[in-house]
Amino acid sequence: QVQMKETGPGLVQTTQTLSVTCTVSGFSLTSYGVHWVRQAPGKGLEWMGIIWGDGSTNYNSALKSRLSISRDTSKSQVFLTMNSLQTDDTAVYYCAETMVTDWGQGVMVTVSS
Amino acid sequence: DIQMTQSPSFLSASVGDRVTINCKASQNINKYLNWYQQKLGEAPKRLIYNTNNLQTGIPSRFSGSGSGTDYTLTISSLQPEDFATYFCLQHNSFPLTFGSGTKLEIK
Repeated sequence: QVQMKETGPGLVQTTQTLSVTCTVSGFSLTSYGVHWVRQAPGKGLEWMGIIWGDGSTNYNSALKSRLSISRDTSKSQVFLTMNSLQTDDTAVYYCAETMVTDWGQGVMVTVSS
Repeated sequence: DIQMTQSPSFLSASVGDRVTINCKASQNINKYLNWYQQKLGEAPKRLIYNTNNLQTGIPSRFSGSGSGTDYTLTISSLQPEDFATYFCLQHNSFPLTFGSGTKLEIK
């Protein structure tokens, strides 16, 4: 059974860097990819990017300059790192597996000055 | 980027009603369209994948249809547990894009 869980800092200051971890079970990160998706309060869902089973990545061009997705396959963890945070980066951050079937519960991140 | 226009944004209906939710893509997405249900505080749940394929474990009252740019989710007979927010996702091309969501409430 696929399970995914996001963990993050909760509160981040503006201009700082966000780091969120997605810990997965039930599949291998070397065989399947992981997406990152976010949802700002009262807004729609925004796809951020994916890291594939071979380690390659695709990013949303709107975020590409600030975003990095990486992984530690030995720990079954995927990492989202985003710099130069602003208040409009406040959102629930989700990870989801390749086919966007299974999602984590999401982690709320508030960016505040 | 492909824009997904979802309608209606809000829907009020009664148990037993048949409801439809629509997503219109700004270009052909070749049936690469999924539907999700989300309840407050929970992870999204995939209902339908690739337009009309029912996810395992999802009741048959949910169905999907469409082609080209126009897609529909139908719930044939609403049950109390169906009152939630629904959204579509196109995965034809990057960036993946979502509909804005439909909040389905009890009348």
